[in-house]
Amino acid sequence: GAVVSQHPSWVICKSGTSVKIECRSLDFQATTMFWYRQFPKQSLMLMATSNEGSKATYEQGVEKDKFLINHASLTLSTLTVTSAHPEDSSFYICSASRAGLGYTFGSGTRLTVV
Amino acid sequence: QKEVEQNSGPLSVPEGAIASLNCTYSDRGSQSFFWYRQYSGKSPELIMSIYSNGDKEDGRFTAQLNKASQYVSLLIRDSQPSDSATYLCAVLGSGTYKYIFGTGTRLKVLA
Repeated sequence: GAVVSQHPSWVICKSGTSVKIECRSLDFQATTMFWYRQFPKQSLMLMATSNEGSKATYEQGVEKDKFLINHASLTLSTLTVTSAHPEDSSFYICSASRAGLGYTFGSGTRLTVV
Repeated sequence: QKEVEQNSGPLSVPEGAIASLNCTYSDRGSQSFFWYRQYSGKSPELIMSIYSNGDKEDGRFTAQLNKASQYVSLLIRDSQPSDSATYLCAVLGSGTYKYIFGTGTRLKVLA
C-alpha cells in the first residue's frame, strides 16, 4: 500500500519552455503532498507544501511564480516549472503522507533543461 | 535554523560486517525520526522509523534513538553489496509536518 506515482520519470526540455510533473497517490487520499528538489550529491530540499483545495506554501527562496503547484484533488498534485532554464535542471521528487505509514516518495523526475 | 547532520562518507565496510550510520539533530523538540535509503538516480525509500528512546529492530536493521543526546543511528547487520546506497536521516520537527533531511551518508559494502 501507500504508493505514490510520479510522471514523467525524466524529461528534457528547451530553455524557456514549461514542464509539468504529476504526482498521484494511487491507493490513498493525500490531503498534503510535498515537492522536493535534489541537486547531485546534495540532500533533498523542500520546495513547497501542496494542500488539496488551497494554495501551496512555498519555502523561503522558492519562486512561486516559477514553480506552480496545483493540488486539485486528494490524489493528484502537479508541479509546473515555468520558463525553465538550465539552472532548474535537477531531480524533483514528490511525497505524500498517510497516517501511520510515514511519508512515501514518488519515483522522482529528472529534469534536464538544454 | 533547524539542522540534521550526517557524515557524508563514503563509509566502506566489508560484506557481512555491521555498518553504523549516525545522525544528529538540532531541534530538541523533534519527536519522529526516519531512515531512508536512496540508490543513485532513485527516490528515497523508507527503511525505519523510530519515535521513542532505545532500539528498534527490523530484520537486519536496527535504529537507535537518544533524545537527550539528540542522536539517532542506524545499524545494518550482515551488510550486503546491495546495501550500497546513500542513507538519509530525516527528522520531523516539533510542531510541524515537514521533514528536515540530512545530507546523507554514502555506504559502500565491499564484496
